[in-house]
Amino acid sequence: GAVVSQHPSRVICKSGTSVKIECRSLDFQATTMFWYRQFPKKSLMLMATSNEGSKATYEQGVEKDKFLINHASLTLSTLTVTSAHPEDSSFYICSASLLAGESTDTQYFGPGTRLTVL
Amino acid sequence: ELKVEQNPLFLSMQEGKNYTIYCNYSTTSDRLYWYRQDPGKSLESLFVLLSNGAVKQEGRLMASLDTKARLSTLHITAAVHDLSATYFCAVDISGYNALIFGKGTTLSVSS
Repeated sequence: GAVVSQHPSRVICKSGTSVKIECRSLDFQATTMFWYRQFPKKSLMLMATSNEGSKATYEQGVEKDKFLINHASLTLSTLTVTSAHPEDSSFYICSASLLAGESTDTQYFGPGTRLTVL
Repeated sequence: ELKVEQNPLFLSMQEGKNYTIYCNYSTTSDRLYWYRQDPGKSLESLFVLLSNGAVKQEGRLMASLDTKARLSTLHITAAVHDLSATYFCAVDISGYNALIFGKGTTLSVSS
C-alpha cells in the first residue's frame, strides 16, 4: 500500500529557533499533501493544503509566515516552523492523496512528528 | 462553517458488548472517513464511505453513511480489548481530501 514518511519523528528545540519537518510519499506521487496539527488528546486540525509547484493554501487562523510550506516535488513537502515558541509544541501530521482532485478512496497519513519547544 | 460532531467523546465498554459511535456533519460532503489512532501514533484508515446508504464492515467494526441525515455511524460488535483506541470521523470539505475531523471518541474496552 501507499506509504507516507515523516522526518524527524521527534524534535526538541529551543524557543526562537526554526524547525523543518519533511513529509515524503515513498511509493507514489502526491500532487497534493496536507498538514495537520494535533494537541494532546485533541482532534486533528487542518493547517494547510500543499500543492506541488504552487503556494500552499492555509486555513483560517494559521499564520503563513510562521508555518512555511514548500512542496518541492511530487514526493516531498516540508513544513518549517519559524521562530518556534512553546505554544507551537504539538504533534504535526502530514497526509497525501494518491491523485489530486480524483475520487480516491483513501488518504494516507504519515507517522507524525512530535515537536517540543523549550 | 463545516462542523463535524462525534458522540460520545468517551466510551467505556465491557468486552463482548455492542455499541455505536455517531458522527454528524453540518454541510454536504461526498466522502466520510473513519480512522483509528492509538496513543502517540498516527492515523490508521478504517473506512471510506462514498455514497448514501454505504455500509462497510471489517471484523467487529461496521460503518454506515446516511448523507440525507448527514450522519455516519461506527458500530462495534462484541468489543474486545484490542479495539481500545481513539476513533475519528472526518469529512472531505473540498473534494480534494482536505479533511475536517470530529473531536474523536476514546474507546476503552475492559474485561
